[in-house]
Amino acid sequence: AQSVTQPDIHITVSEGASLELRCNYSYGATPYLFWYVQSPGQGLQLLLKYFSGDTLVQGIKGFEAEFKRSQSSFNLRKPSVHWSDAAEYFCAVTFNKFYFGSGTKLNVKP
Amino acid sequence: DTGVSQDPRHKITKRGQNVTFRCDPISEHNRLYWYRQTLGQGPEFLTYFQNEAQLEKSRLLSDRFSAERPKGSFSTLEIQRTEQGDSAMYLCASSLGTLNTEAFFGQGTRLTVV
Repeated sequence: AQSVTQPDIHITVSEGASLELRCNYSYGATPYLFWYVQSPGQGLQLLLKYFSGDTLVQGIKGFEAEFKRSQSSFNLRKPSVHWSDAAEYFCAVTFNKFYFGSGTKLNVKP
Repeated sequence: DTGVSQDPRHKITKRGQNVTFRCDPISEHNRLYWYRQTLGQGPEFLTYFQNEAQLEKSRLLSDRFSAERPKGSFSTLEIQRTEQGDSAMYLCASSLGTLNTEAFFGQGTRLTVV
């Protein structure tokens, strides 16, 4: 069965510091992977996606993610976090429908 | 195209009342999804449509929930005899319907059952 695990419920980083959010998936075939961001009371906005090819994908707002098949991971990274990045981040895998992780809430310290 | 729109944005209802939510997907998208999200959780799948056909409905969904997409365009989600446990954000999304496409989400309908 398809599933997504985000092991970190909350993460706090200082503004300007680097960020890595972890995502592990369980899927039998080549996965289609996504990262979405959600601000309070809002819907989800797509940050980036991986379908095939280069395992390092670039997204909006300076985010990138790396697909590692051997580790079943698709971790999200950003070299320098801005205060406006504070939000909740969801990893997802799709097969007909989208399966989401439980999310990681990012706090940014000034 | 203005994206996926949902109406209303907020709904407060008394326990036992029926509520209906509407979702207008991106016009060329043939797949439409409904998700439910409670505080601190990721979106939970409810159902999805390919054009007007409802292809899958979550086993977690009780018979009080029903969804339609009568002409393959907009969709409605109805909850009958609401319960306090139905309080959540209801999210609608649409996509082109192939495996390698992303879903675009609306801003959601926040339901509060009092």
